Amino acid sequence: DTAVSQTPKYLVTQMGNDKSIKCEQNLGHDTMYWYKQDSKKFLKIMFSYNNKELIINETVPNRFSPKSPDKAHLNLHINSLELGDSAVYFCASSPLGAYGYTFGSGTRLTVV
Amino acid sequence: GEDVEQSLFLSVREGDSSVINCTYTDSSSTYLYWYKQEPGAGLQLLTYIFSNMDMKQDQRLTVLLNKKDKHLSLRIADTQTGDSAIYFCAERGSGGGADGLTFGKGTHLIIQP
Repeated sequence: DTAVSQTPKYLVTQMGNDKSIKCEQNLGHDTMYWYKQDSKKFLKIMFSYNNKELIINETVPNRFSPKSPDKAHLNLHINSLELGDSAVYFCASSPLGAYGYTFGSGTRLTVV
Repeated sequence: GEDVEQSLFLSVREGDSSVINCTYTDSSSTYLYWYKQEPGAGLQLLTYIFSNMDMKQDQRLTVLLNKKDKHLSLRIADTQTGDSAIYFCAERGSGGGADGLTFGKGTHLIIQP
């Protein structure tokens, strides 16, 4: 079983659309994250979330919103997609207070 | 704020050792990590080191940490073509993990035959 799974793996959509990327972890971890990797391969954290708090990177536009229906899921919703949102988005999880971060395999979003 | 710096490219000959360097600014970093990303793939954790250690060895990988200078390095012995990838240095602050990892921009390791 994949520890952190993301769907879809590829997503091509038009500007202005609203889309979601799903993430599920079966590791029992307390905290989940979303990272964005741009075309230059630079990785930046977007959000971290556990059942107590959401921490948002202040550079993330408010068109992006994480939604967690339960501890094992953290989905990423993006409204009014723009060309600059094209990137690979990685979900990750970790046990709170411990060292291990496990990453999903990424979702390549292309906005046309 | 936190910042992690790496050189963008490193070219080595097959069979030589590769040394990838990283500097960070957050003195409260608790763990430091090296991740590997092959083309089109996700992030693979290679190794990590706790901030109270100065060296960690795992088969062909050696991590050195100089906490005073906030300098981390990854040495890959006997570099092979399969080691060709982007290597990311990352640090975790003292916030218990809730604020995730801060990554460097990645070092592209290029292997020459």
